[in-house]
Amino acid sequence: KNQVEQSPQSLIILEGKNCTLQCNYTVSPFSNLRWYKQDTGRGPVSLTIMTFSENTKSNGRYTATLDADTKQSSLHITASQLSDSASYICVVSSYSSASKIIFGSGTRLSIRP
Amino acid sequence: EPEVTQTPSHQVTQMGQEVILRCVPISNHLYFYWYRQILGQKVEFLVSFYNNEISEKSEIFDDQFSVERPDGSNFTLKIRSTKLEDSAMYFCASGRTGGLNEQYFGPGTRLTVT
Repeated sequence: KNQVEQSPQSLIILEGKNCTLQCNYTVSPFSNLRWYKQDTGRGPVSLTIMTFSENTKSNGRYTATLDADTKQSSLHITASQLSDSASYICVVSSYSSASKIIFGSGTRLSIRP
Repeated sequence: EPEVTQTPSHQVTQMGQEVILRCVPISNHLYFYWYRQILGQKVEFLVSFYNNEISEKSEIFDDQFSVERPDGSNFTLKIRSTKLEDSAMYFCASGRTGGLNEQYFGPGTRLTVT
């Protein structure tokens, strides 16, 4: 069964600290993996997209890694800011088919001053 | 920067009523999608639309749901007879190509069925 599991469910860190969010998937065959940031009551905003051949991709203070062998991805946030407080959702796509997009439940990140 | 817009931001309706959720995709996009997110749950795919017809739909998208692109700009989701379990955030997304790495999401419409 195609699944995307994220951990932790929620995380609280102090402003300025780094953190790493995890995503494990069983989606097969794999097409690409995306990390989204979703502010409360808003639509998801894409942070990074990675295909099978990419191991690391950065977007400012966000760095995503992908290990296609172990089917794991991580999102590392450096020097966190209060505005980073949001849900971070891992999304894995199978073929180029809209119905084969599997969303994770997200990690709820709270940054405290 | 162009963005997907959705109206209304919040819709309250009574069970059994019809609702129409509206989306204005980014102007040069050709692929359109609806997703929903029940409070506290994952985002779920509903339907994709291209060239004036449905490309794919999920199990959730039953006969109570329909989509339409009535003019050159709007993309609507209609729920014919709402149920309590239809209460959710409904997100519209659009893309210039059908590539799944190029979907831009709208801010969502919160639908509350009472």
